[in-house]
Amino acid sequence: EAGVTQFPSHSVIEKGQTVTLRCDPISGHDNLYWYRRVMGKEIKFLLHFVKESKQDESGMPNNRFLAERTGGTYSTLKVQPAELEDSGVYFCASSPGVWNNEQFFGPGTRLTVL
Amino acid sequence: AQKVTQAQTEISVVEKEDVTLDCVYETRDTTYYLFWYKQPPSGELVFLIRRNSFDEQNEISGRYSWNFQKSTSSFNFTITASQVVDSAVYFCALSEAPSGGSNYKLTFGKGTLLTVNP
Repeated sequence: EAGVTQFPSHSVIEKGQTVTLRCDPISGHDNLYWYRRVMGKEIKFLLHFVKESKQDESGMPNNRFLAERTGGTYSTLKVQPAELEDSGVYFCASSPGVWNNEQFFGPGTRLTVL
Repeated sequence: AQKVTQAQTEISVVEKEDVTLDCVYETRDTTYYLFWYKQPPSGELVFLIRRNSFDEQNEISGRYSWNFQKSTSSFNFTITASQVVDSAVYFCALSEAPSGGSNYKLTFGKGTLLTVNP
């Protein structure tokens, strides 16, 4: 069974540009999470989807970040326009359902904003 | 608010030494879950263990063991006879049971970088 995949693995962009990160969860997992680790700090929760519905966006930094999960399958996280402080590693995780809270993480996307 | 503290930023040991990684948590909930994840140099987060707040039994898995103590709000992780392949960043995390639905968002500690030297 394929694990959680993320694309790209690394992205380098200039301040003001737009970047879209993609996450493909494990097939059949209804829950999808986005997290971010900024250099030297904790991994922090960004948001949570159940299927295509956003359940909790409390961790999204500001309105420059937009997450979608079309059809309840893969998810995208768009940053527009990117700022220097957005640099970090963005992780995606998925879990099966209500009674199983084990989260399976992808390898992360390292975003560098110059 | 929930919080996880990993006071050890970096630990360096020589192969075959035992090493304990500390984790202290804060939560107001009575139902919660504690996790340990390993992040090897390749970058992905690898799940190691999950404990719920009602199960204080210590657990052993090969060279790994975990000591959960609610009285001190700690969930420490010990590697016995460490090996070079254990070198990684280790994260402790906490999840409170959602009031409804399935949002088990994780609160992570800052991580402990373990280096095992040959």
